[in-house]
Amino acid sequence: EVQLLESGGDLVQVGGSLRLSCAASGFTFSDLDMSWARQAPGKGLEWVSTVGRSGVGTNYADSVQGRFTISRDNSKNMVYLQMSGLRAEDTAVYYCATQRWLDVWGKGTTVTVSS
Amino acid sequence: DVVLTQSPLSLPVTLGQPASISCRSSQSLVHSDGHTYFNWFQQRPGQSPRRLIFRVSNRDSGVPDRFSGSGSGTDFTLKISRVEGEDVGIYYCMQGTHWPLTFGQGTKVEIK
Repeated sequence: EVQLLESGGDLVQVGGSLRLSCAASGFTFSDLDMSWARQAPGKGLEWVSTVGRSGVGTNYADSVQGRFTISRDNSKNMVYLQMSGLRAEDTAVYYCATQRWLDVWGKGTTVTVSS
Repeated sequence: DVVLTQSPLSLPVTLGQPASISCRSSQSLVHSDGHTYFNWFQQRPGQSPRRLIFRVSNRDSGVPDRFSGSGSGTDFTLKISRVEGEDVGIYYCMQGTHWPLTFGQGTKVEIK
């Protein structure tokens, strides 16, 4: 069974940094692209970023381009989202998901950015 | 960016009756490889999103056959043949053809 477990969410001040992690299991991790998506309180879903199988190819939403960095460690079955220059509007539940097609989602980790 | 417009945004339904949600794209979702990367997701209250339908009309594993997807190009539809109580939640369309990936605004399905 495919499982994704996010961690690293926290309360952080505007302008601060945070690294989210996602531990994957139940599939051959290096075979799949991996993505992050988010959902602000009471709002809809927003795709954030996707990383290719080897970690070389990455894509970002305009709203996070230049501030967030996605990466992966295929030896550990982990995907990361390094977030810097955090803004109040980055407050959200952040989900890890398999592939660009968002096949399977984790339960999410909460990031709160406060001034 | 591709804009996905869902309608209606709120859908009160009677148990056992059909329901339909529309999603219209601002541009064609046919990829250069010939596939149309258009998905539907369900988010029940308090839960993570779950993909129901991929590439327009393919049901994910474990999804009841009362859910069906159809459409092509820029116009897509999710149908529930007979709504059950567990179908309450918010439904999102999403396109994976063009970067950045985008979602529709969501349609809230509730029981009358």
